[in-house]
Amino acid sequence: AQSVSQHNHHVILSEAASLELGCNYSYGGTVNLFWYVQYPGQHLQLLLKYFSGDPLVKGIKGFEAEFIKSKFSFNLRKPSVQWSDTAEYFCAVNGHNAGNMLTFGGGTRLMVKP
Amino acid sequence: ETGVTQSPTHLIKTRGQQVTLRCSSQSGHNTVSWYQQALGQGPQFIFQYYREEENGRGNFPPRFSGLQFPNYSSELNVNALELDDSALYLCASSSGTGPYEQYFGPGTRLTVT
Repeated sequence: AQSVSQHNHHVILSEAASLELGCNYSYGGTVNLFWYVQYPGQHLQLLLKYFSGDPLVKGIKGFEAEFIKSKFSFNLRKPSVQWSDTAEYFCAVNGHNAGNMLTFGGGTRLMVKP
Repeated sequence: ETGVTQSPTHLIKTRGQQVTLRCSSQSGHNTVSWYQQALGQGPQFIFQYYREEENGRGNFPPRFSGLQFPNYSSELNVNALELDDSALYLCASSSGTGPYEQYFGPGTRLTVT
């Protein structure tokens, strides 16, 4: 079985602060990893994904994430957040033997103060 | 390119009733997955449909069932509704059953009273 843990449930930052959201997964095999974002009143959108290759992946809106296999982690980072980054962020894992099933973490609600 | 659409947007039902939720997949996508997102939680996988057949199921009872039609649109049916079924139901489409990116619809908010 696959599972995902997001340690930060709520994060409050000021504009221009740096962001790092933690994500750890559990799965006994090769994985694909995703970060999705849900802006207020909008549907889930893909921020970035890791399938293979360079463990540092870059996504939209200046976000990046690093896959550290030894730590089963896929933390999301952004050097300087903006008020418009206020949203809920979900980490998700898809194990290679799990078809197309995504398992999501509980989400991190980010509030950026102007 | 048309994105994933879902109907209705909101729905209120009474415990014990049955409900049908609908999803139209993104153009060119032949796989539809359904997720349940309870308040304050991440989405949970219900099941996936590919070529009109169920292709994987999460930890949900049989009263959750679905259909996929030849045009790849899909329905989620829930029988004998329980209060805990109150949630946002999300549909996601993708271009295959492999590890492809899934595109999510806006969801249907179901309230069971």
